[in-house]
Amino acid sequence: DAKTTQPPSMDCAEGRAANLPCNHSTISGNEYVYWYRQIHSQGPQYIIHGLKNNETNEMASLIITEDRKSSTLILPHATLRDTAVYYCIVRSVGGGADGLTFGKGTHLIIQP
Amino acid sequence: DAGITQSPRHKVTETGTPVTLRCHQTENHRYMYWYRQDPGHGLRLIHYSYGVKDTDKGEVSDGYSVSRSKTEDFLLTLESATSSQTSVYFCAIRGDSAYEQYFGPGTRLTVT
Repeated sequence: DAKTTQPPSMDCAEGRAANLPCNHSTISGNEYVYWYRQIHSQGPQYIIHGLKNNETNEMASLIITEDRKSSTLILPHATLRDTAVYYCIVRSVGGGADGLTFGKGTHLIIQP
Repeated sequence: DAGITQSPRHKVTETGTPVTLRCHQTENHRYMYWYRQDPGHGLRLIHYSYGVKDTDKGEVSDGYSVSRSKTEDFLLTLESATSSQTSVYFCAIRGDSAYEQYFGPGTRLTVT
């Protein structure tokens, strides 16, 4: 799986859009970008994934650059409950274990 | 919500005693996983299952065994608990669309 780089922490004001960047310059053609988050004392939560097109669901939007070397997760109207550690993961899909490995992620703090 | 529950949610046990953690899912997913999460180590895969009676080892399987006698239940057993197995244990299932994973709420195990 390709290596990812994320800022260790970010602040965002409540009600504003939170934009979380991720660099994955060694991504290969069959690897997807996944985002998860973990709120304190809870299990990790899947947010969104994408291959090369931008994606949107009820939780967030994912913007992937044309060269696929970086991406941005956007929480359009951040709330206090969005305070969490956000993990960007790049991996191919296929058979086998597919066990996840989380790096250090970005600790997003939503300020009231 | 992927319908995943874990039991117990908290347990304190003594060194040398056997412990079994249960993961239950309600949506007939084929793949199930057991992870442990520790400060400084992130999420690590213990064992996984790809069907009833089909299991395999993950990254940190020593000291753990698993069983899956029916689709909905995946059991993790510590045959003889040690203090190094004090951790938070998460169960996960693999989704069907893009191999994303959905996690349970976790079990906090303390071995004294």
